[in-house]
Parts: sequence; structure tokens; C-alpha cells
Amino acid sequence: KAGVTQTPRYLIKTRGQQVTLSCSPISGHRSVSWYQQTPGQGLQFLFEYFSETQRNKGNFPGRFSGRQFSNSRSEMNVSTLELGDSALYLCASSLGGQSNYGYTFGSGTRLTVV
Amino acid sequence: DAKTTQPNSMESNEEEPVHLPCNHSTISGTDYIHWYRQLPSQGPEYVIHGLTSNVNNRMASLAIAEDRKSSTLILHRATLRDAAVYYCILRDDRGSTLGRLYFGRGTQLTVWP
Repeated sequence: KAGVTQTPRYLIKTRGQQVTLSCSPISGHRSVSWYQQTPGQGLQFLFEYFSETQRNKGNFPGRFSGRQFSNSRSEMNVSTLELGDSALYLCASSLGGQSNYGYTFGSGTRLTVV
Repeated sequence: DAKTTQPNSMESNEEEPVHLPCNHSTISGTDYIHWYRQLPSQGPEYVIHGLTSNVNNRMASLAIAEDRKSSTLILHRATLRDAAVYYCILRDDRGSTLGRLYFGRGTQLTVWP
């Protein structure tokens, strides 16, 4: 079966711009989570959506937002980009997001802010 | 946040077994123990998880101590493709851990040919 698909794979943006990243989960998976990975901070949780509702949110400013559609596809948006937003953004999907399920990660979107 | 402690790095030779330890002395009764690994330039990959009993799958085995305060991920025969950062993570369904994984720094496993 197809894995988690993230688009685009690479992106270069200018400070102050906004960006939208897309994630298509595995068919049948209803939970989608987003993570930011940087060399200095490691993997940090952004937010999680289940059945179009945000169930949990990490400690990121309001410039980071997301949504989930009825087909479970998810998007995350970052407004007013800063240089420090340069990172690998990873999406993960799961059947239910509960603790007895594993997550499948995509390959990520590499965002560079210049 | 539920905390785990792992060694920063470990080394192994190819085709030898590898035992990756994880301490979680503050684990609660409802916490599941999950392991993920991340290969270079890839997203994390689910390896295995368990609650109380030892678990086996095609990738690895998970041995859980009787008091659940520690666990060990066992790779039965390490290959060069097993070189990765391994993360031990505790999860339950309650509050701040619902739907999220807390990644620490993990253990960098080096496999020598």
C-alpha cells in the first residue's frame, strides 16, 4: 500500500513569505501529526489532527497552523517565515493516534528560508 | 512528559546481535513502550512497541523488564542498513501525550562491516 506522501520535497522561501505543506496519509488512517526537525532541537511536535479536529498542539507560535480535510489529508501553513523556520517538516499518520498504534512517517519537506 | 534515558551512541559489528537499552523509571501503568529509528535523510520508522510482555516482529524484539522500568530493543543480526538513530518513547492516551511522540536524542547505532 502507498506510504505517507508529503509534497513538495524541497522548498525555498524568502523571509516574510508564507508556505503551505501537504501530507497525504496512508489510506484508512485518520490521525495525522506534524513534526519539525532541526539539528539543534531535534524532532519537535507541532500538532495532531484526528477526524478533522486538532487534538493536540505543541509549543510553537501561532504562525504555525494546520488543518485536516474529510479525506484525512492534512496541510500545515507557516506565515511570516523567519530564518529559524528552516527545517525538515515531517508528517506521520496512524489509524487512531492512540498509544497502542504505531505511526508511519513521510520523507518530509525540506524548507529553506533565505 | 514521560522520560526515557538512552545511551548517546553504541557500536556493533555486522551480523552480531545488538541490545539497545532504555531506562524509564517513571513509567506509569498505562504507558506503552515504543521504538522508532531514523535512517539518514529519512523520516522516523516504527520498529516495535509493547506494554508488559516481550514482543517480536520481523524487524526486532522488545524485551521489557518485569517492573517495566527498563526495556531493551534487540536486533538479532545487525546489518549495515540498521545504522540509524534509535528512539525509545513512552506513550499513553492521556492528556498531553495523546497523538504525539516525544523524541529525545536517541541512540546513534554504528554498524561496522
